[in-house]
Amino acid sequence: KAGVTQTPRYLIKTRGQQVTLSCSPISGHRSVSWYQQTPGQGLQFLFEYFSETQRNKGNFPGRFSGRQFSNSRSEMNVSTLELGDSALYLCASSLQPGGMNTEAFFGQGTRLTVV
Amino acid sequence: DAKTTQPNSMESNEEEPVHLPCNHSTISGTDYIHWYRQLPSQGPEYVIHGLTSNVNNRMASLAIAEDRKSSTLILHRATLRDAAVYYCILYGGSQGNLIFGKGTKLSVKP
Repeated sequence: KAGVTQTPRYLIKTRGQQVTLSCSPISGHRSVSWYQQTPGQGLQFLFEYFSETQRNKGNFPGRFSGRQFSNSRSEMNVSTLELGDSALYLCASSLQPGGMNTEAFFGQGTRLTVV
Repeated sequence: DAKTTQPNSMESNEEEPVHLPCNHSTISGTDYIHWYRQLPSQGPEYVIHGLTSNVNNRMASLAIAEDRKSSTLILHRATLRDAAVYYCILYGGSQGNLIFGKGTKLSVKP
């Protein structure tokens, strides 16, 4: 079956702009989580959605937001981009939220560069 | 949040077993121990997880200490494709997401 698909794979934006990233989970998976990966901070949790509801949120400013649609596809949006937002943004899907006893499947990520 | 401690890096020779240690002395009774790995230029990949008993799958084995304060990921025969950063993560009821540390960078020499 198809894996987690993230689009676009690469993106270059200018400071002050906004950006929307998309994630299509594995078919049948209803939980989608987003992570930011930078060389300095490593992998950091952004938020998790399940059945169109945000269940959990990491410690990021309000410029970072997300949503999930009825087909479980998810988008994250970053407004008023800053240079420090340059990162690899990863999406993960799983069958259930807070899946302690299950595995998460990650996409290949979207590489965002802010100039 | 419960924390894990892993060596920054390890080296192995191809076709030899690799034991990747992880300390988690503050683990709670409901925390599962998860291992993920991240190959260069890819998203993390699930390896294995367990709660109390040792676990085996096609990729690796997970040995969990009796007091659960440490665990070891075992790759039975390392290949060049196993070169990656390996993350040991505690995932339990106190948080609803994976919390990644810095992981162990495994290098495999031919």
